[in-house]
Amino acid sequence: DAMVIQNPRYQVTQFGKPVTLSCSQTLNHNVMYWYQQKSSQAPKLLFHYYDKDFNNEADTPDNFQSRRPNTSFCFLDIRSPGLGDAAMYLCATSRGEQETQYFGPGTRLLVL
Amino acid sequence: GIQVEQSPPDLILQEGANSTLRCNFSDSVNNLQWFHQNPWGQLINLFYIPSGTKQNGRLSATTVATERYSLLYISSSQTTDSGVYFCAVYGGSQGNLIFGKGTKLSVKP
Repeated sequence: DAMVIQNPRYQVTQFGKPVTLSCSQTLNHNVMYWYQQKSSQAPKLLFHYYDKDFNNEADTPDNFQSRRPNTSFCFLDIRSPGLGDAAMYLCATSRGEQETQYFGPGTRLLVL
Repeated sequence: GIQVEQSPPDLILQEGANSTLRCNFSDSVNNLQWFHQNPWGQLINLFYIPSGTKQNGRLSATTVATERYSLLYISSSQTTDSGVYFCAVYGGSQGNLIFGKGTKLSVKP
């Protein structure tokens, strides 16, 4: 089945230690998104790629970076995680902009 | 930017009951999606419904774009329906999916 896959499902890191979350898709979609979701809140868009074109949200902290080496994979790098970065990180894809988004199962990040 | 409001914020049902969730949006939209976030955190697509009515099993949705609202109907609710239901829209110049704050549904056996 075509799907969006996120690894790992749970990630524990230490304060200030860089961490990378990964997302892959078998849908062959052009657009990939990273969202941050904190407890009892709606998902908040961090950035997205349309093919190789990177689009950063204005309020996304510089601590968050992303890479998309090919159509199938997209990575979220958190350079120096703080306690406030503990959250669920959701990856999504869509065929084109403003089209239906499909979400992966998420990676829950814990910062100690 | 577009504002998305969902009601009610919380809903508790007995298994077998029916419910209606509402999503109001403040401006014209190009698209609207309903999601169910299960207790493990995954967002599952329910409907892509910029206008009209769609049905999928016990769930159905209606969007009246001219009046800027959408409704999600859940019939004969089951405990597995528990979770948070989000409405999200695309619209205007922002180009991104704008989420409401969600309706948290608890279905009791």
